Amino acid sequence: DTGVSQNPRHKITKRGQNVTFRCDPISEHNRLYWYRQTLGQGPEFLTYFQNEAQLEKSRLLSDRFSAERPKGSFSTLEIQRTEQGDSAMYLCASSGQTQETQYFGPGTRLLVL
Amino acid sequence: AQKITQTQPGMFVQEKEAVTLDCTYDTSDPSYGLFWYKQPSSGEMIFLIYQGSYDQQNATEGRYSLNFQKARKSANLVISASQLGDSAMYFCAMREGLWGGGADGLTFGKGTHLIIQP
Repeated sequence: DTGVSQNPRHKITKRGQNVTFRCDPISEHNRLYWYRQTLGQGPEFLTYFQNEAQLEKSRLLSDRFSAERPKGSFSTLEIQRTEQGDSAMYLCASSGQTQETQYFGPGTRLLVL
Repeated sequence: AQKITQTQPGMFVQEKEAVTLDCTYDTSDPSYGLFWYKQPSSGEMIFLIYQGSYDQQNATEGRYSLNFQKARKSANLVISASQLGDSAMYFCAMREGLWGGGADGLTFGKGTHLIIQP
């Protein structure tokens, strides 16, 4: 049973560039979540998918951010025109239909120069 | 107001001692869940324990137990017989509205940095 995987694990980019991260949830999990964690803080919720439907978006998710889960399996999070303030750890989590616990992946560390 | 408050930014504990990490929460929703996660320096959030607001007994998972005091709105994590590998950040989190109508994402506290000393 593999856990949640995320790619890439690290990304360094220049301000203004676009970046895309991928999350593969635990295979039988239909719920998928994205969080952002900055240094010294707990994770902050960004968005939530049930199957392919994006059901909730935090106000933290500005219009430069877009997330998709086209076939209800893996998900991508894209940040357009990156800013230095986007530097953070981006965490993905998944859970099953009848369980409350969210299981997290290893995260993608983004550094915007 | 903060929904999850962890008042201990850092703690030093001797190996093999028990340790209690504090967490208080704020919600008016009658159905909610409380979680504890461990985050080592590698960054991955590792699930430790879960307590539902209507669970009659305090949750336990191996060396971890959750001291749930509903009237006080506290959900402290107790680690018995601490080990060097327990050194990490520990986060308390909450999900409100388990019966519908609530947010699906977790709300996290700022964490406690636990260091176990030999």
